[in-house]
Formats: sequence, structure tokens, C-alpha cells
Amino acid sequence: ETGVTQTPRHLVMGMTNKKSLKCEQHLGHNAMYWYKQSAKKPLELMFVYSLEERVENNSVPSRFSPECPNSSHLFLHLHTLQPEDSALYLCASSQDSTRYNEQFFGPGTRLTVL
Amino acid sequence: AQKITQTQPGMFVQEKEAVTLDCTYDTSDQSYGLFWYKQPSSGEMIFLIYQGSYDEQNATEGRYSLNFQKARKSANLVISASQLGDSAMYFCAMRDQGGSEKLVFGKGTKLTVNP
Repeated sequence: ETGVTQTPRHLVMGMTNKKSLKCEQHLGHNAMYWYKQSAKKPLELMFVYSLEERVENNSVPSRFSPECPNSSHLFLHLHTLQPEDSALYLCASSQDSTRYNEQFFGPGTRLTVL
Repeated sequence: AQKITQTQPGMFVQEKEAVTLDCTYDTSDQSYGLFWYKQPSSGEMIFLIYQGSYDEQNATEGRYSLNFQKARKSANLVISASQLGDSAMYFCAMRDQGGSEKLVFGKGTKLTVNP
């Protein structure tokens, strides 16, 4: 596997379910991100982890809970979500030492909350 | 607060022609970076090109070039010799280079390349 991978690619869940999104990066990067992409809205940064430590939390509701056990893995735990949480959730990673420190994105998880 | 504006919800171009996608930004920072990403229907965001605020020359990467006009706070993406595979959403983004890793994205432009 290369780049940034995300599983599952599609997820349908009820409002009372608990599920987790997984992101894995094979690039040796030291920072990882969760973004939310809703229809007709700009990408919204949710969480930033640098060296496995959370450095940014953009006022995200507590029903979204991130976890970064090591520099290669990032999880987003979901519970009691609302229909408006339906969106594409994108994971990204970056490395300070690269020329532009550009973020590399995974293919996303398409989440539907019923 | 930083802000990115992409005024073109959709653009159409004929194959092999050039197209310009507009992006304006608003920031009070002196040091910042501008990015363009491409998002095909598969969902993955693909990095295309970067322009630093202190770069004197416009960035170029293959068929992509960035028309950077700092005084007008614009960073338009020019795609030359359009290909059918260029059909996708294109996002302009900005990062504060004061140490934050945060990227602020525009709403995107949907480009359709016609044969």
C-alpha cells in the first residue's frame, strides 16, 4: 500500500450506532488531519495531529472523537450522529520537511447517517 | 481570518484548449502559501501546485501554472492543453506560514472538459 488509505470507503449508519473511520499513511509523515466535506461547502478542518499529539480542534461536536495511536494511524470514532453529519470525510497527512509541506489526501469515507 | 473565494461554480472548456480557474484570497499575514488541489469523482484530493507569498516567479508544474498577482490577492490556476481527464473539482487553498498547519479551502470550481 502506498500513500494515504481510508476505510471504509462507504458507511451507512443509524443515529444510535457507534462506528469508526480509519486512516493510514504510508509516507512517513508526522502530521495527520481529518476534514469534513459537505455538499456545496468548503472543506472544513476538524482535527490536526502532529507527532501523535492533537494540536487543533475546530470546535467539533463531541460526537466525533479522534484517536491517533501512532504517527501512521488516525481514527475518527463516531457515536450518536445526526443526519447533517452525512458527508465525505477526508484524511490527510503532511511532513514538515517536504518542500511545500503539502498535504496528501486519502480517497475519503462517504458517510450517510439515517 | 483567512478566506478563499472561488467565484466560478462551474467551467467548461474544449479539449486541447487552455482554461483559467479563478481564486482570490484575503489575509492580513505577510507570509502565506497558496495551493491548488484537484478532486476527481473518486473523492481523493490531489495536490497540483504551490505558490509561496514571497516567491517572485509564478509557479509552474507541467500543464499547470499559477497566475499569482499579490497586489490583487489573486492566485488563478491556468491549465494548458486541457485533457478529458482534467474534468474534476478544483480547490484553491491557503496556509498561514506562521507555523500553523491549517489549510483554508475555497468552495471549488467544477471543470468539465468537452471532447
